[in-house]
Order: sequence, then C-alpha cells, then structure tokens
Amino acid sequence: NAGVTQTPKFQVLKTGQSMTLQCAQDMNHNSMYWYRQDPGMGLRLIYYSASEGTTDKGEVPNGYNVSRLNKREFSLRLESAAPSQTSVYFCASSESNLGAFFGQGTRLTVV
Amino acid sequence: AQSVAQPEDQVNVAEGNPLTVKCTYSVSGNPYLFWYVQYPNRGLQFLLKYITGDNLVKGSYGFEAEFNKSQTSFHLKKPSALVSDSALYFCAVSPLDSSYKLIFGSGTRLLVRP
Repeated sequence: NAGVTQTPKFQVLKTGQSMTLQCAQDMNHNSMYWYRQDPGMGLRLIYYSASEGTTDKGEVPNGYNVSRLNKREFSLRLESAAPSQTSVYFCASSESNLGAFFGQGTRLTVV
Repeated sequence: AQSVAQPEDQVNVAEGNPLTVKCTYSVSGNPYLFWYVQYPNRGLQFLLKYITGDNLVKGSYGFEAEFNKSQTSFHLKKPSALVSDSALYFCAVSPLDSSYKLIFGSGTRLLVRP
C-alpha cells in the first residue's frame, strides 16, 4: 500500500532550468495538494486540486504550474527555477475534511 | 485572514515528564483541527484530529489534544514523554470549505532528553 508517492526525492537545479515534480496516490482520493516547507514557516499551500479536472491557487502559487493528469496524479512544474524556490515540496491527498495523507517529500535546491 | 499559531519554536522536556505543545487558531466557523508529526527527512504523519464532541481527543503514540473553543486553542499533550517523541509537530486546521485544504502552523520542535 504505497499511499502518496513523490518523485524525485532529491533534485539540484540551476537558476532558470525547468522541472516537473510528480505525485501519485493510490487511495482513490478526489483532492490533491502541493505544499512547500521552509524553516520556521510551516507548510504553505502552493496549488490544490479539489477534484479531477480542477485546480486552484493556494497561498504561494507564483512561479509554479500544476496539472491534474487524472484522479491519481498531480504534477507540479517549475518553468524557470529561482533560488527562492529552494525548499522541500510535499504532495498530499485527501477525500474529505478528515485529514490529508502526505508523500515523503522532494528536497529541491536551486543554485 | 485564516491562520494558525504555534508560539513555541522548541519545547524541551525530560523523559517521563508530561509535555504540552501549544496551538491557537484564527478561522471562522467550527473548523476541523489536526496534529501532525514529522520525523527527520520524512513526510508528515497524522497524529489526531478534532471534529466535534468531547474536547479531549486521543490519537496515536499516546498523544492527546484538548480543544478549547473559547480560547480557540488545540494544545497537544502527552502524560509521559519518550525520547522517541522528539520530532517536529505541526498543528493544522481545515476551514470546512470545499477545498479540504489544511492551514498549518509554523511547527514546534519537541526535544525530549533522557
């Protein structure tokens, strides 16, 4: 039972490069989320998808795009990476207000 | 604006002593409340939640949390701390809109010394 799977686990990018973080869940959840975690700031919501076919901005969407590919998969794209996007990124999924399940995270460094 | 506050960056406690990690929130209505724990280089793990009912909720690993509506607080507690409880703890609220998203506090690092 994998739960929420994120790839890659680690990535180093040069400023201006692009990349896509992948996320898949096998719990048949309707809602999926991308958060970033920075020291002293907790987790901040980047984008979310309340259901398949919909996406919405969260608290810190600038510099990111998302795609809800199907019910299982929700990807996060950095079109032109900046050092300010150095962070740990977490994908999560939920079925209701009863709590979310999180992936193991992607540690991204932009140099 | 909706927000969650964890006023302590770090809580230090001796093993065997009780612990409290504080959380207050500012969200309209009656949100659902959560505690998550994060061990080093890991994702967040669900500890417990409050939806309705008894103000004291019990969760995983012997943790419990006390909801206080008048103080808009949801403090995490454990009667007897273990060294293995040392981790980063996050309080979160779900504002009961259709997004089901979570609003997190900044986290509190719990250090339990032997």
